[in-house]
Amino acid sequence: GNSVTQMEGPVTLSEEAFLTINCTYTATGYPSLFWYVQYPGEGLQLLLKATKADDKGSNKGFEATYRKETTSFHLEKGSVQVSDSAVYFCALSDLRDYKLSFGAGTTVTVRA
Amino acid sequence: DTGVSQDPRHKITKRGQNVTFRCDPISEHNRLYWYRQTLGQGPEFLTYFQNEAQLEKSRLLSDRFSAERPKGSFSTLEIQRTEQGDSAMYLCASSRQGMNTEAFFGQGTRLTVV
Repeated sequence: GNSVTQMEGPVTLSEEAFLTINCTYTATGYPSLFWYVQYPGEGLQLLLKATKADDKGSNKGFEATYRKETTSFHLEKGSVQVSDSAVYFCALSDLRDYKLSFGAGTTVTVRA
Repeated sequence: DTGVSQDPRHKITKRGQNVTFRCDPISEHNRLYWYRQTLGQGPEFLTYFQNEAQLEKSRLLSDRFSAERPKGSFSTLEIQRTEQGDSAMYLCASSRQGMNTEAFFGQGTRLTVV
């Protein structure tokens, strides 16, 4: 079946530091890949997505590239802000039924 | 567009009681999903509707769980004879039909079974 493994947290960074959260997946076929973010007290929001190999998703300074050869979708941001403190979830969608399979989430705290 | 709304936001119930949660999706979305999230874990798929038809149920959804979407709009998730292991955040999401469409999540209902 489908599964997602992402880097365990928590991750604590200083403002303007570089952030990487690793994500690898196991899936049959060609899934779509997503990063969702959950800010404190809020619901899950889509951060970015990629639907085919070598696609790069980007939003709010975050980027992730769909790497089929390594079955990875690592999230990166070059310079984090305090407002980026949140829980980040990597997910994949099986195009047969569109349900999402999530990783366990990575808590990121950015300190001023 | 008011987003996906869930009610109640919090529910505390005694073991053995029945509870029902409601989800109102974004109005033009015909797909609706229920997920369950426990502490420190990502959401896990429970069930999925396309319009009023329930198309898939996870093995996580025991016989005590039932979900409906009678008119293809709002949905309810009922848990009968609640157990402590049912304590979790129950999330609803909706999306348009089509490939690679974004799922929008509600803020969830947090259930605590005491």
